[in-house]
Amino acid sequence: ETGVTQTPRHLVMGMTNKKSLKCEQHLGHNAMYWYKQSAKKPLELMFVYSLEERVENNSVPSRFSPECPNSSHLFLHLHTLQPEDSALYLCASSQDLRVPEAFFGQGTRLTVV
Amino acid sequence: AQSVAQPEDQVNVAEGNPLTVKCTYSVSGNPYLFWYVQYPNRGLQFLLKYITGDNLVKGSYGFEAEFNKSQTSFHLKKPSALVSDSALYFCAVSLQDDKIIFGKGTRLHILP
Repeated sequence: ETGVTQTPRHLVMGMTNKKSLKCEQHLGHNAMYWYKQSAKKPLELMFVYSLEERVENNSVPSRFSPECPNSSHLFLHLHTLQPEDSALYLCASSQDLRVPEAFFGQGTRLTVV
Repeated sequence: AQSVAQPEDQVNVAEGNPLTVKCTYSVSGNPYLFWYVQYPNRGLQFLLKYITGDNLVKGSYGFEAEFNKSQTSFHLKKPSALVSDSALYFCAVSLQDDKIIFGKGTRLHILP
């Protein structure tokens, strides 16, 4: 256990569905991240939040919408996804942006059909 | 731009033999370097990091990595491999005030 919990672990959704991924950490960390892991590709950083404010958006399509209501929770809202969005979505947290050693959740395996 | 290269998609090693998983990086400035491991159905776990100081860094599960500034490398090593070491290994780099960038990963197979 790394202290970062993601739910659900697996998700299958149609292209017209709306769903949300949840990430929770009680490590007292101030920075949280969403990554996308696709087969044989480097981890892709999607969003970075520091003290609940978004500090980076790496040209992610608008069908992915993050939300950080407080320092312990991070959501990724999904709507009208495409099959190529199927991947493992990883949440991570770190003490703050200046200490990039990150703790990762187990990920959500997303399949878009 | 920062980048991390893991030149091998897969590394096969017999149990008991030494293992090396390669990583090279390209950054301007002094990097922080990391290794993470991902076991099946589990999230990434931090193994070790180099920030400054001794070039040989020791981490979890008997792993170590050597920072080589002239070759811009940070290879992961272990003197004697275990079957349980079979997993996906990621090298990562960041500058002091920047995000962490990961390599594409190397799958390590330890053969009994």
